[in-house]
Amino acid sequence: AQKVTQAQTEISVVEKEDVTLDCVYETRDTTYYLFWYKQPPSGELVFLIRRNSFDEQNEISGRYSWNFQKSTSSFNFTITASQVVDSAVYFCALSDLNRDDKIIFGKGTRLHILP
Amino acid sequence: GAVVSQHPSWVICKSGTSVKIECRSLDFQATTMFWYRQFPKQSLMLMATSNEGSKATYEQGVEKDKFLINHASLTLSTLTVTSAHPEDSSFYICSALETGGSSYNEQFFGPGTRLTVL
Repeated sequence: AQKVTQAQTEISVVEKEDVTLDCVYETRDTTYYLFWYKQPPSGELVFLIRRNSFDEQNEISGRYSWNFQKSTSSFNFTITASQVVDSAVYFCALSDLNRDDKIIFGKGTRLHILP
Repeated sequence: GAVVSQHPSWVICKSGTSVKIECRSLDFQATTMFWYRQFPKQSLMLMATSNEGSKATYEQGVEKDKFLINHASLTLSTLTVTSAHPEDSSFYICSALETGGSSYNEQFFGPGTRLTVL
């Protein structure tokens, strides 16, 4: 069965601190995709990254970075030098080829960046 | 990236009435669209897969007679919440699948529709 676990329900950090959001996934498929989405208070999902299961290279995009480790089935997301605008709910998600392109979302981590 | 719109962005209705929500892919054709529901402070839960020209496929536990889905064209899927009740109040999000051109079928999300049933 496919499953995405985001153990951190809510995190609060002070602005400029670094913060890491954890994501652990389960799938029996060997080919799958992992995602991170941001959902600000407006509700609209903002796509952040997609990673396929064959690409374990870490990714950096500005203040955002992602650490994908198949050995631990984890796909963690780090925000460096956090800003108030980073406050949002962040979802980790999984899609594998056996599920007809369906995406399964984790429960999300609500991130509060305090000024 | 491709754009998906939803209409209306929010709607308030009385209990017992039906509400239709539209999902449109604006600059691409989508034979497959998905409908999600998100209750406050919860995750997105897939409700159904909408297939152009055929019946929708519903996830376990979703009442197909309650949530009618029609995907009559390659750019439009509609979700009708029939005989809405307060427990149907939720944030409904659609996504459209862009196929072809690469090994991965990209899914683009709409901005969501907030439904409040009084």
